Amino acid sequence: GAVVSQHPSRVICKSGTSVKIECRSLDFQATTMFWYRQFPKQSLMLMATSNEGSKATYEQGVEKDKFLINHASLTLSTLTVTSAHPEDSSFYICSASSGTNSYNEQFFGPGTRLTVL
Amino acid sequence: GQNIDQPTEMTATEGAIVQINCTYQTSGFNGLFWYQQHAGEAPTFLSYNVLDGLEEKGRFSSFLSRSKGYSYLLLKELQMKDSASYLCAVTDSNYQLIWGAGTKLIIKP
Repeated sequence: GAVVSQHPSRVICKSGTSVKIECRSLDFQATTMFWYRQFPKQSLMLMATSNEGSKATYEQGVEKDKFLINHASLTLSTLTVTSAHPEDSSFYICSASSGTNSYNEQFFGPGTRLTVL
Repeated sequence: GQNIDQPTEMTATEGAIVQINCTYQTSGFNGLFWYQQHAGEAPTFLSYNVLDGLEEKGRFSSFLSRSKGYSYLLLKELQMKDSASYLCAVTDSNYQLIWGAGTKLIIKP
C-alpha cells in the first residue's frame, strides 16, 4: 500500500515552455502533498505544501507564479513549471501524506527529471 | 537557525556494520526520520523516532537522544545494495520537516 506515482518520469523541453507534472496517490487519500526539488548531490528542498481544496503554501524564495500547484482532489496534485528556463532543470519529487502536516509519514513519488534546453 | 548535520560521505565494507550520525538544532522537536535514497531515485522511508531509545527493524536500527539532539542509523550485515544516500530529517514545533544534506554511503567488497 501507500503508492505514489509521478508522471512524466523524464521531460525535456525548450526554454520558455511550460511543463506540468502530475503526482497521484494510488491507494490512499492524500490530505497533504509536498513538492520538492533536488539538485545533484544536494538534499531535498521543500518548495510547497498543498492541502486538498486549498491554496498551496510556498516556501520562502519559491515563486508561486512560476511554480503553479493545484491539489484539486485527494489523489492528485499537479506542479506546473511556467516559462521554464535552464536553471529550472532539476529533479522534482512529490510526496503524499494522509495527515495534515509533515508529522505523518510521507510517501514519495519516483520523481520527475526536468531538463530545460 | 535550524540545522541538521550529518557526515557527507562514509565508506564501509560489505558484511560490516556502519553507524551514520545525525545531530540537529531545531525550534522544537516532533520526531526524526531516516530515509534512504539511491542515486536518481526518490527517498524511501526507513525509520521514525519520537521517543528516546533504539528502534530496530531488521538489519537497520535507529537511535534517538532528544536531550543531546542526536540520532544515529545503524546498518548491519552491509550489502552492496545499501550503497545510497541516507537522509536525516526532523519535524520541528511547527511540524515542518527539516532535511539534512544526506550521507553518501559507499560499500566496498
